[in-house]
Amino acid sequence: DTAVSQTPKYLVTQMGNDKSIKCEQNLGHDTMYWYKQDSKKFLKIMFSYNNKELIINETVPNRFSPKSPDKAHLNLHINSLELGDSAVYFCASSQAGGDTDTQYFGPGTRLTVL
Amino acid sequence: AQSVSQHNHHVILSEAASLELGCNYSYGGTVNLFWYVQYPGQHLQLLLKYFSGDPLVKGIKGFEAEFIKSKFSFNLRKPSVQWSDTAEYFCAVKTPNAGKSTFGDGTTLTVKP
Repeated sequence: DTAVSQTPKYLVTQMGNDKSIKCEQNLGHDTMYWYKQDSKKFLKIMFSYNNKELIINETVPNRFSPKSPDKAHLNLHINSLELGDSAVYFCASSQAGGDTDTQYFGPGTRLTVL
Repeated sequence: AQSVSQHNHHVILSEAASLELGCNYSYGGTVNLFWYVQYPGQHLQLLLKYFSGDPLVKGIKGFEAEFIKSKFSFNLRKPSVQWSDTAEYFCAVKTPNAGKSTFGDGTTLTVKP
């Protein structure tokens, strides 16, 4: 069973389009994240949700809108895609506190904007 | 705000060489420390972590890391690398009150067969 899953794995689209990436975790964690990894492999946190509440928004353009329908799901919707949005997007989850702050990452979604 | 610095951006070693990757962080209080590994084309996965106790922690695949509080460091080591260790390595720090872990910029390790 996949602990953190993302769909789709690859996404190729034209500039200006709107697209969504879905993430689900079956670990029972209360916190979920979206990260962006650029071509240089730098990993930047975008958002964090705890029990469906947004707790971190790291100065991400408002074209990016996360939605958490329940604590097992955190989806990312991107409006008006730009060339610079091309990257690998990773979803992750963790259970806050104690020795359980370990993050579990999904397989990533490679977004290519043409 | 806390920050994490990984000094080596790209390390190239031959098989059987010893490895040490540096990681320093800026926060002065209690921290949880992690090393994650990302194999080519794959997602990040935990290599090892330190929360408390013995500052020398052992992880998977023969890796270990030592927490030196006075130096704000958590360097990753392996006595003899293999070609399959070729990957991206990320150090991360989390403080108790922070809602997120702070990641370093990563170190690319290339092991030549």
